[in-house]
Amino acid sequence: AQSVAQPEDQVNVAEGNPLTVKCTYSVSGNPYLFWYVQYPNRGLQFLLKYITGDNLVKGSYGFEAEFNKSQTSFHLKKPSALVSDSALYFCAVRDYGGSQGNLIFGKGTKLSVKP
Amino acid sequence: DTEVTQTPKHLVMGMTNKKSLKCEQHMGHRAMYWYKQKAKKPPELMFVYSYEKLSINESVPSRFSPECPNSSLLNLHLHALQPEDSALYLCASSQDIGLAGSYEQYFGPGTRLTVT
Repeated sequence: AQSVAQPEDQVNVAEGNPLTVKCTYSVSGNPYLFWYVQYPNRGLQFLLKYITGDNLVKGSYGFEAEFNKSQTSFHLKKPSALVSDSALYFCAVRDYGGSQGNLIFGKGTKLSVKP
Repeated sequence: DTEVTQTPKHLVMGMTNKKSLKCEQHMGHRAMYWYKQKAKKPPELMFVYSYEKLSINESVPSRFSPECPNSSLLNLHLHALQPEDSALYLCASSQDIGLAGSYEQYFGPGTRLTVT
């Protein structure tokens, strides 16, 4: 069965410092991986995805993610964090099981960026 | 335009009421989704429509009844809900759901539902 793990409930970063939000996955076959961000009382916003090709994927708002097949990871990164990046981040993998087309979400990681 | 709209933004209803949530997208997407999200938890899939046909029903109680009148609209009819159904209900759309597809989903802002 497909699964996604986000090992950190919360990540705290100082503004201007680099940030990393971790995600590991378990799939049978080639993974389609996604990152979404959710601001308070809002829906999820798509940030980026990995389907195939270059392991470094660039997305919205200066975020990027690195696909590492050997470590089954897809960590989200940003070189310089902003206070406005504070939000809840979800990693997701496409479900190839019973609910085709569905996304399997990680539990979420709350990112807090302090001035 | 990558916008998915949802109405109403907030809804308070009693356990005997009947209400509906509405979702609309004009991106030409052929797949639409309903999710339920509890506070600080990931979204839980409820229903998927593909080309206006119900594709997936994740064992959702019959007090939730989805409807897809056309390719741009998705409704969720609510009847005899329980207090534990209080949550943020999110609508999403994607270009398609095909097995080989890699389509991201675009989410609406959600309807905050409170059942009293």
